[in-house]
Amino acid sequence: GDSVTQMEGPVTLSEEAFLTINCTYTATGYPSLFWYVQYPGEGLQLLLKATKADDKGSNKGFEATYRKETTSFHLEKGSVQVSDSAVYFCALSDPPSGSARQLTFGSGTQLTVLP
Amino acid sequence: DTGVSQDPRHKITKRGQNVTFRCDPISEHNRLYWYRQTLGQGPEFLTYFQNEAQLEKSRLLSDRFSAERPKGSFSTLEIQRTEQGDSAMYLCASSFDSPRTTEAFFGQGTRLTVV
Repeated sequence: GDSVTQMEGPVTLSEEAFLTINCTYTATGYPSLFWYVQYPGEGLQLLLKATKADDKGSNKGFEATYRKETTSFHLEKGSVQVSDSAVYFCALSDPPSGSARQLTFGSGTQLTVLP
Repeated sequence: DTGVSQDPRHKITKRGQNVTFRCDPISEHNRLYWYRQTLGQGPEFLTYFQNEAQLEKSRLLSDRFSAERPKGSFSTLEIQRTEQGDSAMYLCASSFDSPRTTEAFFGQGTRLTVV
């Protein structure tokens, strides 16, 4: 079945540091890939997505590139801020169209950014 | 309509009692999903509705769980004879069925504690 493996946390960085959170996946089809973020006390929010190989999703300074050859979708940000402290979830939807399109999530990575 | 809302936000119940949660999706969304999230894990898919029809159920959804979406709008998730293992965050999400988008919007969840 489908699965998502995320870099284990927690991750603690200083403000303005470079962030990478690794995500790899296994899927039977050709999935769409997502990063969701969960700020303290809030629901999951879509951060970015990519629907086909070599697509780059980007939002709020975060980027991730859909790499089919390595089945990866690593999240990066060049300079993190304290306000980026949250839990980040990598997820896939397979198949991307037709049926339920439910999401399969990784276990999440807690990011703490220190001032 | 500002998003997906869930009620209650928190529920503490004694083992063996029945509980019911409500989800109000974004009004124009025809798909509605229930997920369960345990501490330190990503959300796991439970079931989904397209309009009022429940089209898929996960193996995680035991016979003690039932979900309804009677008029294709709000949904309820009932757990009968609760067990301590049911303690989790129950998340609702909704989306609009379109070939061009797979974005699901999540509510803030209902946190269930079974004592």
